[in-house]
Amino acid sequence: AQSVAQPEDQVNVAEGNPLTVKCTYSVSGNPYLFWYVQYPNRGLQFLLKYITGDNLVKGSYGFEAEFNKSQTSFHLKKPSALVSDSALYFCAVRDRRTPLVFGKGTRLSVIA
Amino acid sequence: DSGVTQTPKHLITATGQRVTLRCSPRSGDLSVYWYQQSLDQGLQFLIQYYNGEERAKGNILERFSAQQFPDLHSELNLSSLELGDSALYFCASSGDPSGVRYEQFFGPGTRLTVL
Repeated sequence: AQSVAQPEDQVNVAEGNPLTVKCTYSVSGNPYLFWYVQYPNRGLQFLLKYITGDNLVKGSYGFEAEFNKSQTSFHLKKPSALVSDSALYFCAVRDRRTPLVFGKGTRLSVIA
Repeated sequence: DSGVTQTPKHLITATGQRVTLRCSPRSGDLSVYWYQQSLDQGLQFLIQYYNGEERAKGNILERFSAQQFPDLHSELNLSSLELGDSALYFCASSGDPSGVRYEQFFGPGTRLTVL
């Protein structure tokens, strides 16, 4: 069965510093990987996805993620964090035949 | 704004009752997904409909059912409610029947509280 692991419940970073939110996955077929962000009392917003092609994927709000097949990882990154990036981040994976499976989420806190 | 609407925003009810949550997908999207988000279980996929037909089923209890109507809006029916059903229920829509090539767009959710 497919699964997603987000090993950190919480990530703290100073404003202006680079940030990384980790995600590893397990899936039977070719992985389709997604990152979503959830702000308080809001639904999930799509950030970026990897379907095929270039391993480095660029998304909304300056976020990017790198697909690493050998390490089965899809870490979310941003070169310079903003206080407004503080939110709950979800990694999700599926293959062609299975529904989307979400990780438990990582709470990012950017400190001014 | 994702373009997906959900009503009501909040719902408070008692154990044993039945409620209906409503979702309208983005214009043109034929796929609708339902998810449950709770503190202990995280975000769990319940069920998917595509153009009125059930497409995929996840961890949906037998007390729960859903349907998608000809105008593509969807309803999630929760019956014989238990305290543990208290959660945020999200609807999402996508233009892709497999949900692979195109991302899902999420509504703001319905917060269900069972007392």
